[in-house]
Amino acid sequence: DQQVKQNSPSLSVQEGRISILNCDYTNSMFDYFLWYKKYPAEGPTFLISISSIKDKNEDGRFTVFLNKSAKHLSLHIVPSQPGDSAVYFCAASVRRDFGNEKLTFGTGTRLTIIP
Amino acid sequence: SAVISQKPSRDICQRGTSLTIQCQVDSQVTMMFWYRQQPGQSLTLIATANQGSEATYESGFVIDKFPISRPNLTFSTLTVSNMSPEDSSIYLCSVVQVQETQYFGPGTRLLVL
Repeated sequence: DQQVKQNSPSLSVQEGRISILNCDYTNSMFDYFLWYKKYPAEGPTFLISISSIKDKNEDGRFTVFLNKSAKHLSLHIVPSQPGDSAVYFCAASVRRDFGNEKLTFGTGTRLTIIP
Repeated sequence: SAVISQKPSRDICQRGTSLTIQCQVDSQVTMMFWYRQQPGQSLTLIATANQGSEATYESGFVIDKFPISRPNLTFSTLTVSNMSPEDSSIYLCSVVQVQETQYFGPGTRLLVL
């Protein structure tokens, strides 16, 4: 049972435009969500997170939106840069369960920024 | 964020052998985890490494196949035992402070022939 889903395995965006990556989840217990970026041969790098008490979090070029009723979150990158080309994973956890920090990952979306 | 190193960074092993992967953190952390990423797949949690006690394994993973140690707050090992080609994956450790973000090590790329 895939509790966190990224339905787009790949996405291509022109440099300078907005990249929108989507993620859906099924477990209503999830209350903390994260986005990671992964380059080949490297570990995932944390990008941005959001708690379920918020619907938006922004950090520079990266903004994450959370729609709890739809169990959907999205990552917006604007403007997109060539260095953003990587695989992006969304992940979720149940933080209210103290000490249970384990993450459930989505399947990933490969983002390619076209110069 | 904590600086995490893993050894080895990659290895090629023969089936039936075992490999121990080390994870070292430059500061004390409350929690350490081990994940696996099989080719073309997402990251899957293997177990939570508990300091001074037995690891907590996720469904589908057992201690005999993936023994884990965590002798202190900065170090953990994962052993992949009696390897088969299906164990070819990237193995990643991650760490977290209480209510902080989870950070990942660079990973260990394992190829089993």
